[in-house]
Amino acid sequence: EVRLEESGGGLVQPGGSLRLSCGASGFVFRASWMSWVRQAPGKGLEWLANIAYDGSAKYYVASVRGRFTISRDNAKDSVYLEMDNLRVDDTAVYYCTRVSTTGYENFESWGQGTLVTVSS
Amino acid sequence: ELVLTQSPGTLSLSPGETATLSCRASQSISSSYSAWYQQRRGQAPRLLIYATSTRATGIPDRFRGSGSGRDFTLTISRLEPEDFAVYYCQQYDSSPTWTFGQGTKVEIK
Repeated sequence: EVRLEESGGGLVQPGGSLRLSCGASGFVFRASWMSWVRQAPGKGLEWLANIAYDGSAKYYVASVRGRFTISRDNAKDSVYLEMDNLRVDDTAVYYCTRVSTTGYENFESWGQGTLVTVSS
Repeated sequence: ELVLTQSPGTLSLSPGETATLSCRASQSISSSYSAWYQQRRGQAPRLLIYATSTRATGIPDRFRGSGSGRDFTLTISRLEPEDFAVYYCQQYDSSPTWTFGQGTKVEIK
């Protein structure tokens, strides 16, 4: 069974930083692209970033490019999201997802999410 | 920039009825890259349909996806109580970017 478990969320002040982690199990992590998707309270889903199976390629949505960094450690079956210069509108539940392995560019597995609150 | 517009915003139906959800893209998209997700209250989203019409593992055949070009549809037949949820379409373009629609809520009438 595929499992994704996020951690690292919490309360942070505007301008602060936070590092989210996602531990994976139940599949060959080193062969999978991974992604982060967020959902602001009461709002829809927003794709944030993808990382290639070996970390060689990374893609970001424009609103977080330069502030957020996605990375991975295949030895630990983990993917990370480093978030800097956080803003109030970054408040959201952050989901770790596994990108489709079939080339259809969808998010086939999701974690339960971790809540990030940016507030003074 | 790819924009996805879902309609209607809210669909009020009774169990047993059929729901028809629409997703229109701002530009033509390959049918390989159109997907739908269900999000029940308090839960993470889950993949329902990918490649326009292929059901994900464990998804009942009451869920059917269709479409091409700019217009894609999710049809849910014989609504069950557990189907009342929010549904999101998602598409990919070669920028590359992955884009979600704003969601359609299917509620009990």
